[in-house]
Amino acid sequence: GQQVMQIPQYQHVQEGEDFTTYCNSSTTLSNIQWYKQRPGGHPVFLIQLVKSGEVKKQKRLTFQFGEAKKNSSLHITATQTTDVGTYFCAGVSDTGTASKLTFGTGTRLQVTL
Amino acid sequence: DTGVSQDPRHKITKRGQNVTFRCDPISEHNRLYWYRQTLGQGPEFLTYFQNEAQLEKSRLLSDRFSAERPKGSFSTLEIQRTEQGDSAMYLCASSTGLTNEKLFFGSGTQLSVL
Repeated sequence: GQQVMQIPQYQHVQEGEDFTTYCNSSTTLSNIQWYKQRPGGHPVFLIQLVKSGEVKKQKRLTFQFGEAKKNSSLHITATQTTDVGTYFCAGVSDTGTASKLTFGTGTRLQVTL
Repeated sequence: DTGVSQDPRHKITKRGQNVTFRCDPISEHNRLYWYRQTLGQGPEFLTYFQNEAQLEKSRLLSDRFSAERPKGSFSTLEIQRTEQGDSAMYLCASSTGLTNEKLFFGSGTQLSVL
């Protein structure tokens, strides 16, 4: 079945440093979504990418969808303590059920002053 | 707040007991999903409904698990003869039913099987 992996599993940065998480799917994706889960919380939708090579920005966050639609990345510029949490990518396989979102393994971000 | 609500927030049970969780989705949402999440892992798909119809179940879902959405509104997830391996956070999510729609998650039910 479809597998979605993320690296790194965990990253600890000092406030102000940049952070990047990478997402790789075993199958081509029709779209990719990113979610953030704060400690003790539930996943909250951040953004969706649909087109090959698409880049979207949300303030300090930059999201990219690979040309082959099998990978994606999230880059945070100048991290803040409010960025703490686990970031998940989630994709819908091109060949699978259109409604089944498969989540990645997640990258936990810790930010200290 | 008319978000997705789940009940109970926490459930502790003994091995072999049956448990039932409830999810109330956002009122105008046609699709309802159940996911399971264990510590340090991403949410794992269990099943989803389009209105009252259950359209897909994960192959990982044993026959001890059953989900219903009788009137296309709230949903229940029942686990029979619980095992320690069932201990996890059970998350419910809903969406409008449009293609590639984002999911709105509830706060989850944390199940501990002793």
